[in-house]
Amino acid sequence: DGGITQSPKYLFRKEGQNVTLSCEQNLNHDAMYWYRQDPGQGLRLIYYSQIVNDFQKGDIAEGYSVSREKKESFPLTVTSAQKNPTAFYLCASRPPGGTYSYNEQFFGPGTRLTVL
Amino acid sequence: KQEVTQIPAALSVPEGENLVLNCSFTDSAIYNLQWFRQDPGKGLTSLLLIQSSQREQTSGRLNASLDKSSGRSTLYIAASQPGDSATYLCAVNDYKLSFGAGTTVTVRA
Repeated sequence: DGGITQSPKYLFRKEGQNVTLSCEQNLNHDAMYWYRQDPGQGLRLIYYSQIVNDFQKGDIAEGYSVSREKKESFPLTVTSAQKNPTAFYLCASRPPGGTYSYNEQFFGPGTRLTVL
Repeated sequence: KQEVTQIPAALSVPEGENLVLNCSFTDSAIYNLQWFRQDPGKGLTSLLLIQSSQREQTSGRLNASLDKSSGRSTLYIAASQPGDSATYLCAVNDYKLSFGAGTTVTVRA
């Protein structure tokens, strides 16, 4: 089955720890995205990548880092510099179709991160 | 900066009633607009995508309209069912997706 997988589903972090959220897709999509969702708010873009070995900051990149070494994978690291990381994190991908694509984004099931 | 607003934040209707969900955006220079459904604790499911050149898009009981000039989109869900209970999000694509906060819908049996 084609799709986007995120792991783990739930993640707990202690103060001062870095944690990495996994996002994998087998849809052969070029572009991948990371969003953060807080209660009562819309999704906010953290980072995005149009192609392998390239990525750009979104609206709230501070305290986060990413890598894009393979087309299928776009892991997100939440560093200790992120002061309020408790949130629901969603990964998405988009089929190829140009830089400003007319194609829709597809989302994974999400990872809920809680700071203890 | 694109601002997307969804009103109301929550809506409760009896089963069978038609649903009307509103989305407004501030910058009309968009490529497309996408409506999503989100169940509690889950990811987003794409419902409809309307390109900027289109006025509406339909899928089953769902119909979405787009008026770029006024910065508005409306999602209509006909003959609502309890299974339609979820949060509905709209997102505007002007090179990246900007999301509204969503409308949480409850359909009472």
